[in-house]
Amino acid sequence: AQSVAQPEDQVNVAEGNPLTVKCTYSVSGNPYLFWYVQYPNRGLQFLLKYITGDNLVKGSYGFEAEFNKSQTSFHLKKPSALVSDSALYFCAVRASSGGYQKVTFGTGTKLQVIP
Amino acid sequence: DAMVIQNPRYQVTQFGKPVTLSCSQTLNHNVMYWYQQKSSQAPKLLFHYYDKDFNNEADTPDNFQSRRPNTSFCFLDIRSPGLGDAAMYLCATSRDTSNRGRKETQYFGPGTRLLVL
Repeated sequence: AQSVAQPEDQVNVAEGNPLTVKCTYSVSGNPYLFWYVQYPNRGLQFLLKYITGDNLVKGSYGFEAEFNKSQTSFHLKKPSALVSDSALYFCAVRASSGGYQKVTFGTGTKLQVIP
Repeated sequence: DAMVIQNPRYQVTQFGKPVTLSCSQTLNHNVMYWYQQKSSQAPKLLFHYYDKDFNNEADTPDNFQSRRPNTSFCFLDIRSPGLGDAAMYLCATSRDTSNRGRKETQYFGPGTRLLVL
C-alpha cells in the first residue's frame, strides 16, 4: 500500500527566510508526486508535481520541490517566504503504473510565516 | 473562469435530513472525485467516477451516495446525515487515460462546508 508522511504538523519561518516542508513517500514502482496548498475554508490548489525527468520541479508562487529517489523524499522549498504563504500544505503520491491508483494524501503541514 | 464549481459553499442541514451537494466542471475531465475533509486533516476519498463507472472506497459508509448524470456534473447525496458527517466536502476532477504518461493532477473545487444540527 502506498503512503505519504509529512513529519511536521507545523513549520514556522520568518518572512524572507527560506522554507522547507518535508515529505517522504512509499509506493510500489515509480511515483507520481504532488504538492497542494489549502487556505482556510478553501479547496486544495495544485502547486507542482513530479512525473518524470528533472528531479527539481518548479511550481506556482515560487515554490519548488526536489525528488530524491534514494531517500524517497519530495520536500517542498521556497527561497524566500512570504506571509501570504501561510497555509496548509499537502503532499500526495500515486503509483505510476498498474491500472488506476488513487492518490494518497499526507496529513498536512501547517506553514506559519512570521512577519 | 472557474473550473471546478461547488454549490453551495456552506450547507446547513438537520440531523437525519437528506442533503445533496453539487459539483460541476468546465474542464471536460473524465474522472470526478468526492473527498471528505475534517478539521485540517488529509482529504479522505469517498468515491470517484471514471467516466460513467462508479468506484466506491471500501470504507465509505452506505449513507453516502453519488450520481453523475453527465460529464460536467456530479452530486453527493447524504441520505441521513449524522453529527459526525459535518465536514468540508471537496470535489475534484482529473483527466485520466490508459496511455503511458497519463497525468493524474487533480483539480479541486472550493469545497462545501456541511454543518449538521
